[in-house]
Amino acid sequence: EAGVTQSPTHLIKTRGQQATLRCSPISGHTSVYWYQQALGLGLQFLLWYDEGEERNRGNFPPRFSGRQFPNYSSELNVNALELEDSALYLCASSLRGDDEQFFGPGTRLTVL
Amino acid sequence: AQRVTQPEKLLSVFKGAPVELKCNYSYSGSPELFWYVQYSRQRLQLLLRHISRESIKGFTADLNKGETSFHLKKPFAQEEDSAMYYCASLRGSSNTGKLIFGQGTTLQVKP
Repeated sequence: EAGVTQSPTHLIKTRGQQATLRCSPISGHTSVYWYQQALGLGLQFLLWYDEGEERNRGNFPPRFSGRQFPNYSSELNVNALELEDSALYLCASSLRGDDEQFFGPGTRLTVL
Repeated sequence: AQRVTQPEKLLSVFKGAPVELKCNYSYSGSPELFWYVQYSRQRLQLLLRHISRESIKGFTADLNKGETSFHLKKPFAQEEDSAMYYCASLRGSSNTGKLIFGQGTTLQVKP
């Protein structure tokens, strides 16, 4: 069974630009989650999508947004990039919203 | 606020020694607790969850509601156990889909 996949592996942007990160969940999983792992801040919950709807979001500004497509894949968009957005962004999926989460390898975003 | 605390950033033991990675949580309601592990250059993966009561790779963890703890234990550490370990909680009083992670503990098992 293929795991959660994320693309790209690395992304380099400059301040003020927009970044788009993509995630494909495990087949059959309807829930997708996004987390930010910034240096010194640990893993912070960003967003939860289930059945195409945003179910919950963490304590992040509105320039962090996303969506979930009919095939349950998901996209995270970060607008007006700031230097402190540099982090590893992890996507996870689960069978249901209250089930264990399986993680992807992450996208390393660097903002210069 | 809901919080998961791992007091040790680094735990260093010799091979064959017992290991205990500490985790404390603060919640109202009934949390569901997990231990995740990240080996070098690998993705974060689930090690165990408290409701399954399983022992994975020799590790066990018991939920102690009185002490609000979920410590991870292994009687005899192996070098391949060296990794980053995260304790996480899924929910307190409602399902938010939000895993709350501790800061992580690096376990270093020396030969």
